[in-house]
Amino acid sequence: EAGVVQSPRYKIIEKKQPVAFWCNPISGHNTLYWYRQNLGQGPELLIRYENEEAVDDSQLPKDRFSAERLKGVDSTLKIQPAELGDSAVYLCASSFPDGSRDLAGTSSYEQYFGPGTRLTVT
Amino acid sequence: EDQVTQSPEALRLQEGESSSLNCSYTVSGLRGLFWYRQDPGKGPEFLFTLYSAGEEKEKERLKATLTKKESFLHITAPKPEDSATYLCAVQATGSGNTGKLIFGQGTTLQVKP
Repeated sequence: EAGVVQSPRYKIIEKKQPVAFWCNPISGHNTLYWYRQNLGQGPELLIRYENEEAVDDSQLPKDRFSAERLKGVDSTLKIQPAELGDSAVYLCASSFPDGSRDLAGTSSYEQYFGPGTRLTVT
Repeated sequence: EDQVTQSPEALRLQEGESSSLNCSYTVSGLRGLFWYRQDPGKGPEFLFTLYSAGEEKEKERLKATLTKKESFLHITAPKPEDSATYLCAVQATGSGNTGKLIFGQGTTLQVKP
């Protein structure tokens, strides 16, 4: 089974330029996540989609970052304009609701990650 | 504030030298604790999910355990191919936390032949 696909794998741009990352999740996974991972740190969630709906974008810097998942499958994350501090690895992950549920209906999800896009802003 | 701290930051072992990695966490309520392995230039690879204190899971030379405050990843007789960064993450309870993983900074393991 194919895993999460991301492109490009590497991107070098000058500051103030725009950049976009693309993600294709595992087939059947309706939940999609974008994370940012700085060097030597764990990933940090930027945005989470349930199908086409962005259900958690509280950590997304909305002044310069945007994301979309128009048909509930592929997703694009955009930065415009990029700043030096945006240099990082941008990871996409997906999951299928397959965890236990508590009385409130919340569930655990095993998230599967793509290889990431390493962005360097000069 | 929900938080995950991993120790040590780096660990060097000789092949066959068993050891443990620690993941301490603070959450209002634990939905699940996850262990991932990350090789250089790759995305995190899922290893285990633990849901409740006392739970244990094994995979080859790896064994993960969970208490109310921390998790351990035990590596028995490691091989050079076990060299990687190991990430711990938690998911807290509450509808606002559904699907949100909070990661530690990782432990980078190097196993020398």
